[in-house]
Amino acid sequence: EIVLTQSPGTLSLSPGERATLSCRASQSVSSSYLAWYQQKPGQAPRLLMYGASSRATGIPDRFSGSGSGTDFTLIIARLEPEDFAVYYCQQYGSSRTFGQGTKVEIK
Amino acid sequence: QVQLVESGGGVVQPGRSLRLSCAASGFTLSPYTMHWVRQAPGKGLEWVAVISYDGSNKYYADSVKGRFTISRDNSKNTLYMQMNSLRPEDTAVYYCARDVGPFDIWGQGTMVTVSS
Repeated sequence: EIVLTQSPGTLSLSPGERATLSCRASQSVSSSYLAWYQQKPGQAPRLLMYGASSRATGIPDRFSGSGSGTDFTLIIARLEPEDFAVYYCQQYGSSRTFGQGTKVEIK
Repeated sequence: QVQLVESGGGVVQPGRSLRLSCAASGFTLSPYTMHWVRQAPGKGLEWVAVISYDGSNKYYADSVKGRFTISRDNSKNTLYMQMNSLRPEDTAVYYCARDVGPFDIWGQGTMVTVSS
């Protein structure tokens, strides 16, 4: 099973700042089958990114993803108030596993 | 409107059973592999089970293997999860999700509480 480790656990930032979230896999994720989800309190997760760097439908371009192999990054270029949430990475190249999440909170 | 709607959650005693349903609307369930994912209170996402588009293949997390059974009725556009021998650690919000590689559609979740 591929284990995904996200860092940091919590990111305290102000609106307008840049957020950099990391997701590291215990083994290589095939074909960059890595997705990112956003979850707000009381809501289901929402797909943000897939294929490591492709934005899902309706996701604004301040969100970007990169990486390959075992190291992946989600960047939020300029935080908007609605971006404060928990973010999960998921690999779908070998079964399905999730990272433990990174909380982006208002500083 | 493309959506998944879960139902069947509730409060149940340890050792008892519960059956969750996930009804699809706005799209046809039959071409899609489907999953159940759960989230314990204040915790992260845990993948639980998957079923292939025709129901011929099913896989489970070790934590539920032998106790939970995933199934589907494509004629009713509905996914199910039969949960037996429930334990307190099964307490969570249960989500169904559509698989297109990543999970592009999620239900709103249904809460299952296992407590005496």
